[in-house]
Amino acid sequence: EDQVTQSPEALRLQEGESSSLNCSYTVSGLRGLFWYRQDPGKGPEFLFTLYSAGEEKEKERLKATLTKKESFLHITAPKPEDSATYLCAVQASYGNKLVFGAGTILRVKS
Amino acid sequence: NAGVTQTPKFRILKIGQSMTLQCTQDMNHNYMYWYRQDPGMGLKLIYYSVGAGITDKGEVPNGYNVSRSTTEDFPLRLELAAPSQTSVYFCASSPGYRGGEQYFGPGTRLTVT
Repeated sequence: EDQVTQSPEALRLQEGESSSLNCSYTVSGLRGLFWYRQDPGKGPEFLFTLYSAGEEKEKERLKATLTKKESFLHITAPKPEDSATYLCAVQASYGNKLVFGAGTILRVKS
Repeated sequence: NAGVTQTPKFRILKIGQSMTLQCTQDMNHNYMYWYRQDPGMGLKLIYYSVGAGITDKGEVPNGYNVSRSTTEDFPLRLELAAPSQTSVYFCASSPGYRGGEQYFGPGTRLTVT
């Protein structure tokens, strides 16, 4: 069974304090790993797709990396507006469905 | 483009009542999905569709039904509502060739009492 585990469940950072969120996964053949951002009361918003180990993607203060067992979302010098829940999801090679992790709630204080 | 729209935003149902959650997308996407999100549990797939006239069950389909008569619309039907169906429901769409890059609606918050 495909599984995604995200850690930590919640993370509090001071503005400018860099850190990383973890996404560990088990899947029967990885087609893609996806990161989403979700603001309170809204639907998830797509951030990144990673397809193979060693791949990296960047967007502003966010950088996503991928290994054969996990992905990291690195946040460099975060700002309060980066506060959100970050969701990780995997897509197996045999289907079109995503399996989501429970998410990491990030709070950045100024 | 409005993207993915969902109605209603909020709804309270009594146990045993039925309702339909509406979802419409204007991006001409073939793939559409219904998820439910419970606190601390992540998103669970209820049903999905790969095109008009084609639907399939996801991880948690019991108590729900869907139809897909057009590319744009993908309504979710709740029959005989139960408290366990209290949740936030999200509809999403994707162009298919990038199946994991999904575009989500704003959600419907449903309470069954």
